[in-house]
Amino acid sequence: EAQVTQNPRYLITVTGKKLTVTCSQNMNHEYMSWYRQDPGLGLRQIYYSMNVEVTDKGDVPEGYKVSRKEKRNFPLILESPSPNQTSLYFCASSQGKKQYFGPGTRLTVT
Amino acid sequence: QKEVEQNSGPLSVPEGAIASLNCTYSDRGSQSFFWYRQYSGKSPELIMFIYSNGDKEDGRFTAQLNKASQYVSLLIRDSQPSDSATYLCAVIDSGGSNYKLTFGKGTLLTVNP
Repeated sequence: EAQVTQNPRYLITVTGKKLTVTCSQNMNHEYMSWYRQDPGLGLRQIYYSMNVEVTDKGDVPEGYKVSRKEKRNFPLILESPSPNQTSLYFCASSQGKKQYFGPGTRLTVT
Repeated sequence: QKEVEQNSGPLSVPEGAIASLNCTYSDRGSQSFFWYRQYSGKSPELIMFIYSNGDKEDGRFTAQLNKASQYVSLLIRDSQPSDSATYLCAVIDSGGSNYKLTFGKGTLLTVNP
């Protein structure tokens, strides 16, 4: 089944404790992206990747890192999480203009 | 900052009615337009896309695009309670990545049985 997977789906952590949210797609898509979704602010792009080893900032990249060492994986790294990074995170992939979203990761930073 | 605007709603329609959702965008050079449906707590799901002026129909859904007026709309005919969700308008603008989506904040649709 063609899909985008994310892990973990739920995470509660403390300020400053490094974490990684994984994203994987099995559709051989070149383009992958991370979004965060907050009430009243909608979906905002954090980082995107056009292909392996090619990444760029989206609209809200501060406090996040990404890497794209393999085509199928695009992890999101929070080196020192802060409470303002509490959000619902979505990974997406596409080949062409239609993007397909993963199930989401709900992150709470206390 | 390129913007995509939607009425946040909620838009409430009776079962069987036509639901009309609207979206305006600021970047006149935008080329590609998408409608996503998002159920509460779930991920956005692509339901329609349109690239050319005019109407595009897919089952009960019709997307309408008017580039001169910079708006795109989604009509849902014979609305069902299962259509109750937040509908997100998204646009690929004329600059930057060819695949970068800018989303509106969404319109909450409620279909009443």
